[in-house]
Amino acid sequence: QVQLVQSGAEVKKPGASVKVSCKTSGYIFNNYGITWVRQAPGQGPEWMGWISAYNGNTKYSEKLQGRVYMTRDTSTTTAYMELRSLKSDDSAVYYCARDNIAAAGTDYFDYWGQGTRVTVSS
Amino acid sequence: SYVLTQPPSVSVAPGETARIPCGGDNIVSKNVNWYQQKPGQAPILVIYHDNNRPSGIPERFSGSNSGNTATLTISRVEAMVEAGDEADYFCQVWDSRGDHPVFGGGTKLTVL
Repeated sequence: QVQLVQSGAEVKKPGASVKVSCKTSGYIFNNYGITWVRQAPGQGPEWMGWISAYNGNTKYSEKLQGRVYMTRDTSTTTAYMELRSLKSDDSAVYYCARDNIAAAGTDYFDYWGQGTRVTVSS
Repeated sequence: SYVLTQPPSVSVAPGETARIPCGGDNIVSKNVNWYQQKPGQAPILVIYHDNNRPSGIPERFSGSNSGNTATLTISRVEAMVEAGDEADYFCQVWDSRGDHPVFGGGTKLTVL
């Protein structure tokens, strides 16, 4: 069965970086993209960006451009999201999700990781 | 950026039908997806492309999309703690202008 398993919770100081992993299994990794979403308490999900598992192409949200970096390792079918220069309002639960694309602009997210809580506090 | 508007809460009695709206400008021109999220858990896809159910999602869940409002409908709402329908529900579409997905703010479904 399809599974996305994320790394554990992190506590970071402002200005530091965090790197979250998303280990996938149960499907052909190269056939799907991975989208990263974060969710602050009581709020809807916020799209952070996307990476193609096939060729590593990325697209990031304008809000996070320059601070977020997404990579993948096809040998371990794992995706990574690194967020740098952390601020207190980056505190949230971070999710990876498999990006199912039937055609351009029709994406939906059919499997999700369990989430990784990132707390930014001095 | 394209904006999706959802009411903060919807309440329904067990066995009744819940309807959760998601408003957006000419949303009928977009594919709408819906996610269920229970406290402390990751979202689960319940409807994709307006009215399609992934495998394992009960037939009680359905979707529609017309004009400026898409609607998630849950028939015969269940109140059971673990397997029940009480949860937050989010709609999601693709913002073609920004070329990225957007989510609604979510609606908390309360089963009375």
